[in-house]
Amino acid sequence: DAGITQSPRHKVTETGTPVTLRCHQTENHRYMYWYRQDPGHGLRLIHYSYGVKDTDKGEVSDGYSVSRSKTEDFLLTLESATSSQTSVYFCATLGGLQETQYFGPGTRLLVL
Amino acid sequence: AQSVAQPEDQVNVAEGNPLTVKCTYSVSGNPYLFWYVQYPNRGLQFLLKYITGDNLVKGSYGFEAEFNKSQTSFHLKKPSALVSDSALYFCAVRDNDYKLSFGAGTTVTVRA
Repeated sequence: DAGITQSPRHKVTETGTPVTLRCHQTENHRYMYWYRQDPGHGLRLIHYSYGVKDTDKGEVSDGYSVSRSKTEDFLLTLESATSSQTSVYFCATLGGLQETQYFGPGTRLLVL
Repeated sequence: AQSVAQPEDQVNVAEGNPLTVKCTYSVSGNPYLFWYVQYPNRGLQFLLKYITGDNLVKGSYGFEAEFNKSQTSFHLKKPSALVSDSALYFCAVRDNDYKLSFGAGTTVTVRA
């Protein structure tokens, strides 16, 4: 998994609470991404980063924010969790000569 | 904007038979195409990609994919499927900003 870890791996929270997911990489890759995976939708891009403090929105960014203060860490925050944000969240990085995205193991989030 | 379509939600084949998972794409420029596989409760694993060059791309675990520009297709193939190939397969296309757009996924079941 190209040295990508995600924490927590599982989380149950209540509607209206803030939640932060962490992605940590050890490969010094410049680009990092947050996706959500839902049945029938494949993976959809939430936000991505092309460098420290450089981030941009993906196709499903509403209700999410990100921060990247260090190359190795990319944080995803659900400002006020809703049941529609129940999903599996994957972090990815882009690097290497093949310019391939590598994925972390995922975080299962349940919003009650 | 780029997009991919995976017309089959499920593909069922017998072990030892050829396996094909279909993907069509839409891009405004040159296509950068990828296949990933996801095993249960795991992240996505890179299988292969097409950037330029030969239309037949060989990847991991005996998989290959054929790029067809006129039909805008990038079908994944394996000459002889194994039970262990049962998984969820995703086709993806990348834009110039290094963002991937994924298909909805195809569940492959290989029966013994």
